[in-house]
Amino acid sequence: DIQMTQSPSSLSASVGDRVTITCRASQSISSYLNWYQQKPGKAPKLLIYAASSLQSGVPSRFSGSGSGTDFTLTISSLQPEDFATYYCQQSYSTLSITFGQGTRLEIK
Amino acid sequence: EVQLVESGGGLVQPGGSLRLSCAASGFTFSSYWMHWVRQAPGKGLVWVSRINSDGSSTSYADSVKGRFTISRDNAKNTLYLQMNSLRAEDTAVYYCARDYYGGDENWFDPWGQGTLVTVSS
Repeated sequence: DIQMTQSPSSLSASVGDRVTITCRASQSISSYLNWYQQKPGKAPKLLIYAASSLQSGVPSRFSGSGSGTDFTLTISSLQPEDFATYYCQQSYSTLSITFGQGTRLEIK
Repeated sequence: EVQLVESGGGLVQPGGSLRLSCAASGFTFSSYWMHWVRQAPGKGLVWVSRINSDGSSTSYADSVKGRFTISRDNAKNTLYLQMNSLRAEDTAVYYCARDYYGGDENWFDPWGQGTLVTVSS
């Protein structure tokens, strides 16, 4: 299976900060990388697909980049509603899709 | 509105069985692959299983292979997960998700609200 490793596992930041979360794949996955946001008690929500495409309705302060094995999710200016847990996901291997362990973004 | 609604969760004893359902609406269900993903309390997301659009091809995580069966009824716009020989470690919220294929890459959107399965004596 392709392993996905996110860093950091948790992060404290303030409203208005610029935040970057990284995701590394154990082998090349081209651009088959998606990012999801999950708030407590809620289902995950798609933010970024195919590494860098912004899902419709998602604020433009969210952006994604990378290809191959290294990817990043950036929030340009944190808003109060952005405090949540973020997951990367590889869809390169359709026989076994894997998620990163998650990054919990907390208010400083 | 594109929507997925899970049902069928509950409390079951170790070794027992449960069948989850996921009712789809607002899109042509029969055109999409579908997935089940679970999340144990306080833990991350774990992919469980997927099925192709006509139900002829399935795959499973090693942790559930041989115990869980994914299926679908395209006439009823419904996805299923039959869970047998349940263990305490299967306790989780189970989500269904649509596999959206963008021509090359694919992603999960939308997700259902989840249904809680608790395996305990």
